[in-house]
Amino acid sequence: DTEVTQTPKHLVMGMTNKKSLKCEQHMGHRAMYWYKQKAKKPPELMFVYSYEKLSINESVPSRFSPECPNSSLLNLHLHALQPEDSALYLCASSSGVKTANNEKLFFGSGTQLSVL
Amino acid sequence: AQSVSQHNHHVILSEAASLELGCNYSYGGTVNLFWYVQYPGQHLQLLLKYFSGDPLVKGIKGFEAEFIKSKFSFNLRKPSVQWSDTAEYFCAVAGYSSASKIIFGSGTRLSIRP
Repeated sequence: DTEVTQTPKHLVMGMTNKKSLKCEQHMGHRAMYWYKQKAKKPPELMFVYSYEKLSINESVPSRFSPECPNSSLLNLHLHALQPEDSALYLCASSSGVKTANNEKLFFGSGTQLSVL
Repeated sequence: AQSVSQHNHHVILSEAASLELGCNYSYGGTVNLFWYVQYPGQHLQLLLKYFSGDPLVKGIKGFEAEFIKSKFSFNLRKPSVQWSDTAEYFCAVAGYSSASKIIFGSGTRLSIRP
């Protein structure tokens, strides 16, 4: 299984809503990532979890709250988002072994988020 | 911090033409370099990667890239493109000391005329 599964595929939410994005992989990867991708733009790194600990936070606003309950799951909790947060949110995973020689990101299909 | 630049925003070629997409990076140490492709309606996939050794790297679907350290470049090439190569291509870089922080370039949209 070389899949990274993201749910939901589409999400529409109001600015006062609380929602969560979910990501799952069963490849034994120990690094998991959240990227944000606007239309016709490259993915922008948001968070990196390594061995279930948050290792990188790219100065993301606190209305985005990541969570890694176990090595297979990664959540992104959303609260009080703004319309400009509308984007494709991509989850990725990699082996996470720090030698870097086998670093390869496996991406999910993303959650297309619209904030009204 | 590392950064990566792709200067070609949109490239249009006819089938069988040769392709070269530019990628330049900035980082003060050892780097790992990647090319990812995003076909229409699909998620990002790795085309090829460079970590060390032979600077000419071969990837899937006939693509190759050459790491030129003196020019801080990692250009993607294919001798003869096909219509199915129509996609968005992203160069990415990770500094060796922060291997988990993979930063993407702005992307190049490749359109192939049948």
